[in-house]
Amino acid sequence: QITLKESGPLLVKPTQTLTLTCTFSGFSVTTSGVGVGWIRQPPGRALEWLALIYWNDFKQYSSSLETRLSISKDSSKNQVVLTMTNVDPADTAMYFCAYSAYYYDSNGYHSWFESWGPGTLVTVSS
Amino acid sequence: DIVMTQSPDSLAVSLGERATIHCRSSQGLFHSSHNKNYLAWYQQKPGQAPKLLIYWASTRESGVPERFSGAGSETYFSLTITSLEAEDVAVYYCQQYYSSPFTFGQGTKLEIK
Repeated sequence: QITLKESGPLLVKPTQTLTLTCTFSGFSVTTSGVGVGWIRQPPGRALEWLALIYWNDFKQYSSSLETRLSISKDSSKNQVVLTMTNVDPADTAMYFCAYSAYYYDSNGYHSWFESWGPGTLVTVSS
Repeated sequence: DIVMTQSPDSLAVSLGERATIHCRSSQGLFHSSHNKNYLAWYQQKPGQAPKLLIYWASTRESGVPERFSGAGSETYFSLTITSLEAEDVAVYYCQQYYSSPFTFGQGTKLEIK
């Protein structure tokens, strides 16, 4: 059974760096065919995909946030970490991590999200 | 980026009736060499994380009731619930995975009439 859980600060000040950790069980992030992604949802608004890391360390990022995001994995701890620099109140959101199923072809990786963590609410405010 | 647009934004349907949600993409999501449409549907109940319902536009995820079905191709897709139950009250999202960045629709809120 796959489970994921997000953790991180509840409150971050503007301009600071946000670090979120996804701790999972039921799979290994080094197993072929595995990906872990981050998606966020501002209060009352839609889902927004942020980043994905695959078993082979290939990474993908949202085009609008790419310069502020970094995703990494620690297979020994069964964790995936997302960092976001220079946060703004507009980054206030529920942040979810998710286990990604994907299909790989000549055009690259194509990912959807099979299992999700419960999310962690991050507020950016001074 | 591929833009996903859902309609309607909200929908009220009577119990036992059919509910249909639409999703349109700004670019085609069909890959002819694989004969697949790169589209998924999710259900998000209040206070919960999203749940995968359908992928490849019409393949039901394991454990999803048969009353949920997906259809469509290229740029037009739909999610149909054939006989609405009270537990289906939720916001539904489509997501394209044809190309990165992977993008979601704005969501459709489904309520009981």
